[in-house]
Amino acid sequence: LAKTTQPISMDSYEGQEVNITCSHNNIATNDYITWYQQFPSQGPRFIIQGYKTKVTNEVASLFIPADRKSSTLSLPRVSLSDTAVYYCLVGNTGTASKLTFGTGTRLQVTL
Amino acid sequence: GAGVSQTPSNKVTEKGKYVELRCDPISGHTALYWYRQSLGQGPEFLIYFQGTGAADDSGLPNDRFFAVRPEGSVSTLKIQRTERGDSAVYLCASSPQGAQTDTQYFGPGTRLTVL
Repeated sequence: LAKTTQPISMDSYEGQEVNITCSHNNIATNDYITWYQQFPSQGPRFIIQGYKTKVTNEVASLFIPADRKSSTLSLPRVSLSDTAVYYCLVGNTGTASKLTFGTGTRLQVTL
Repeated sequence: GAGVSQTPSNKVTEKGKYVELRCDPISGHTALYWYRQSLGQGPEFLIYFQGTGAADDSGLPNDRFFAVRPEGSVSTLKIQRTERGDSAVYLCASSPQGAQTDTQYFGPGTRLTVL
């Protein structure tokens, strides 16, 4: 399984754009990159998934460079409610679909 | 629609006791997963069911842990002779078919405390 490395924590003010970068140097050809968000006392929640280039949905964008050795989750105009832990995961069907979480990035948004 | 539900939300037990944790996945989801999350850590994979069968149980820490899904829907995680180190939040997730690109939907977890 490809190992991922993320910053342990980040701070932001409300209304700013937040970019969280994840390194996955050993990503395999058939690996996808997925991000989850977790609030205290809740299970993780899917945010976005991609394979290459850029993916955008209603809550975030995911930027993946051509070499796929890193990825950046972009949260536009964060609010206090975006305070959570964000996990970057890589994997493929060969790993039986199990998710391998690291310690995640703890994002703190303040006024 | 209803999401993944887990019962109980909290379970306190004494060392050496047996516990059962229940997971009700989203209706129609064939894939079901159990994870364990310790304080300050990300969830750790335990076992994956595809239908009624355990497709991957490589994450179960030892033979005190066992899980079943007899009818391909509800699953029960069973822990025998509990130890203090088993204290954690046990998370259940389900996905439509278990494909890598499927979104896994997590329940709120069961917080297990072993005294």
